[in-house]
Amino acid sequence: KAGVTQTPRYLIKTRGQQVTLSCSPISGHRSVSWYQQTPGQGLQFLFEYFSETQRNKGNFPGRFSGRQFSNSRSEMNVSTLELGDSALYLCASSLGPLSTGNTIYFGEGSWLTVV
Amino acid sequence: SQQGEEDPQALSIQEGENATMNCSYKTSINNLQWYRQNSGRGLVHLILIRSNEREKHSGRLRVTLDTSKKSSSLLITASRAADTASYFCATFRIQGAQKLVFGQGTRLTINP
Repeated sequence: KAGVTQTPRYLIKTRGQQVTLSCSPISGHRSVSWYQQTPGQGLQFLFEYFSETQRNKGNFPGRFSGRQFSNSRSEMNVSTLELGDSALYLCASSLGPLSTGNTIYFGEGSWLTVV
Repeated sequence: SQQGEEDPQALSIQEGENATMNCSYKTSINNLQWYRQNSGRGLVHLILIRSNEREKHSGRLRVTLDTSKKSSSLLITASRAADTASYFCATFRIQGAQKLVFGQGTRLTINP
């Protein structure tokens, strides 16, 4: 069974631009969650989607948004990029919502550099 | 401070020795998960322990959970060079804003 797939793996953007990252969950998984990892702040929860609905959201500005499609694939978008948005963005999937305590599986991440 | 804090922040041991990492959390949880991350890669799930469990084993891994102390430990026995990585605990906060919370991680180095 294929794991969580994230694209693109690496990208460089300029301040002020926007970026869209994509995540394909493990087949059969309906929950997708996103995380930002930086050396300074560590791993931080961005948001969680289940059955196309956002269930929970972390403490990030409205520039960070996401969505989930009917096939459970998810995208996250960051608009008006800032230098501080440079990070590894990780996507994870699980069978059910995070609150149900299912095992969570992570993708390899998307490295975003903002210049 | 952030829920799910590991100590030590860094640990360096010789191959073959045991490595113990600790994690503390602040609010009620339904489970706690441990992950490994090799440099710049995604997180690999190691083990999940539920709040009604006290100890769990998986190969060379042993995890304990003490809900009265809000703490967990991860023991890696007979360490190998391939165990060199960062280790994180994660808890799903069920009170207040529900979200998955990670600790800062323990960077484990196994010296040959």
